[in-house]
Amino acid sequence: AQKITQTQPGMFVQEKEAVTLDCTYDTSDQSYGLFWYKQPSSGEMIFLIYQGSYDEQNATEGRYSLNFQKARKSANLVISASQLGDSAMYFCAMRDNGGATNKLIFGTGTLLAVQP
Amino acid sequence: DVKVTQSSRYLVKRTGEKVFLECVQDMDHENMFWYRQDPGLGLRLIYFSYDVKMKEKGDIPEGYSVSREKKERFSLILESASTNQTSMYLCASRDLRGRTLSGNTIYFGEGSWLTVV
Repeated sequence: AQKITQTQPGMFVQEKEAVTLDCTYDTSDQSYGLFWYKQPSSGEMIFLIYQGSYDEQNATEGRYSLNFQKARKSANLVISASQLGDSAMYFCAMRDNGGATNKLIFGTGTLLAVQP
Repeated sequence: DVKVTQSSRYLVKRTGEKVFLECVQDMDHENMFWYRQDPGLGLRLIYFSYDVKMKEKGDIPEGYSVSREKKERFSLILESASTNQTSMYLCASRDLRGRTLSGNTIYFGEGSWLTVV
């Protein structure tokens, strides 16, 4: 069965510093996609970044990058130059890309607090 | 912009009541999902629907049922609400036509906070 593991329940980071949020996954599928979502205190889920299992380069979106290590089955999110507005819950998620009924499964989340 | 709308943001219901959580999306998406979110447990999939009248159980379907009579609407039903169903419920929809593209084709509603007393 597919599984996402986020081992950091909470983290602190100083404003303007970089922070890495860990995510490991388990799947027997060859084709899959990995996501990171941000959930601020208001509750909405904001898509941040996506990595396909066949993508050779690490995905980047502005200050967000995904450190994809396929052999280790890890997909860590790196936020550079943290801002106070980055304080939120962050979820790693995975879906398989094999068909029409594929599901999106989530990790338990990491609560990030950016300190001034 | 794609919009996923959950009709009720905050609800308080009594134990044993039948509860309907409604979700509507306006972009003709095939897939729709219901998750519940609890502290320390992340988002857990309750049910999903891959097309009209089609549904599959997720990881925690017990105590819930769903209805998808029209493509744009996916309803979550708690037949007899219990206190352990107090949670935040998130609806999402996904465009199958974008499944090979970048992953930002999955859209979430704002969530429904349900308290069962």
